[in-house]
Formats: sequence, structure tokens, C-alpha cells
Amino acid sequence: AQSVTQLGSHVSVSEGALVLLRCNYSSSVPPYLFWYVQYPNQGLQLLLKYTSAATLVKGINGFEAEFKKSETSFHLTKPSAHMSDAAEYFCAVSRTGANNLFFGTGTRLTVIP
Amino acid sequence: DVKVTQSSRYLVKRTGEKVFLECVQDMDHENMFWYRQDPGLGLRLIYFSYDVKMKEKGDIPEGYSVSREKKERFSLILESASTNQTSMYLCASRSPNEKLFFGSGTQLSVL
Repeated sequence: AQSVTQLGSHVSVSEGALVLLRCNYSSSVPPYLFWYVQYPNQGLQLLLKYTSAATLVKGINGFEAEFKKSETSFHLTKPSAHMSDAAEYFCAVSRTGANNLFFGTGTRLTVIP
Repeated sequence: DVKVTQSSRYLVKRTGEKVFLECVQDMDHENMFWYRQDPGLGLRLIYFSYDVKMKEKGDIPEGYSVSREKKERFSLILESASTNQTSMYLCASRSPNEKLFFGSGTQLSVL
């Protein structure tokens, strides 16, 4: 079975500070892992995807995530937060060929000026 | 860019009404999905479809049905709306490289 846990439903950072959003997964087989972002009043957009190629995955808008099998983690980071990064972020897991993505409960990021 | 269009942004219905939520994608994707999004619960899959007239139940199908008569259109139906179906409904289609593309969502309120 696949599932993800996002630690922290709300995270606040100052503008220019490091962003770290945590995601741990459980999967009985090598997973596909995703981070999606949802801006206010919009649907979700794909930020980045891990599919067992490189463990460090670079996404859009300066975000990246590192797959750590030993920690079953896929944390999302950005070196310097921008006001426009304020949104809700979802981690998701699936397995190859599966029809379903399992989403975490989301982390709302607030950026303080 | 892939476009997934949901017909209504906001919808208000009364208990017991039959409700149709429409979703159209323009990229010829085979797989389409309906999720509901609730605070603190993330996204939960209601139904998905992997081809025309083909559908499978997701995690929370009770009280819902779906229709996929054409490849580009995937409809979610609430046979008899109830207040616990008040939620944000998100439609998505999936590309062959496993990326989901979402519509903007429909905020449904059942009174």
C-alpha cells in the first residue's frame, strides 16, 4: 500500500529564508513521488516528479526535492522564499502503472515580508 | 499546454437535488480523475476512468457516479446531493508520463 505523511499543516517563513516542507512516504514497491502546488482559487500544478532516475529532483520556480530511501523521505526545499511562493503544497505517491495517486493532507506555506 | 476545464467555479444546490459536474480536457488523455478536497484531508479519489465508458471506483465512491461517453469529457454525478458532499471538487487528466493536470475546481455547497 502507498501513503504519504506531510509533517506540519502550516509552515511560516520569512521572505528570503529557506523553505523546507516535509514528506515521508510508505510504499511496498519503488514509488513515483510528486510535489504539487495549489495557489489560491486554482487547481493543483505539478512542481516536480521523482521516477527513480536522479535522487535530487529539480522542479519549477526554484524548488527541488531529494529522495532518501533510507529515511523514506521526499522533502521539498527552496533556498530563498519569495512572496509568490505562498500556497498549499501537496506530496503524492504512486507506483508504476498505477491509476491512483495518494495525496498527503497538504502544507500551507505562508511567507512573511 | 494541457487545459482541463471544469464547467462551474461555484455551485449551490439543495439537499436531494441531482448534480452534474462537468470536466473537459483537450489533450486526448486516456485517464481522467475526480477528486474531492477537504481541509485537513487532502485530496481523495472518488472515481477514475481509463477509457471511454470505462470507470473504476476510487477511495470514496459512495453517493457518486460518473459518465465518460467521450474521451475528452468526464462527468461526476451526485444522484441525491447531501450536505456532507459540500466540498471542492477537482478534475484531472493524466499524461502518458504520469503527470496529472488539474482543472481549477468546483466549490459545491449543498444546503
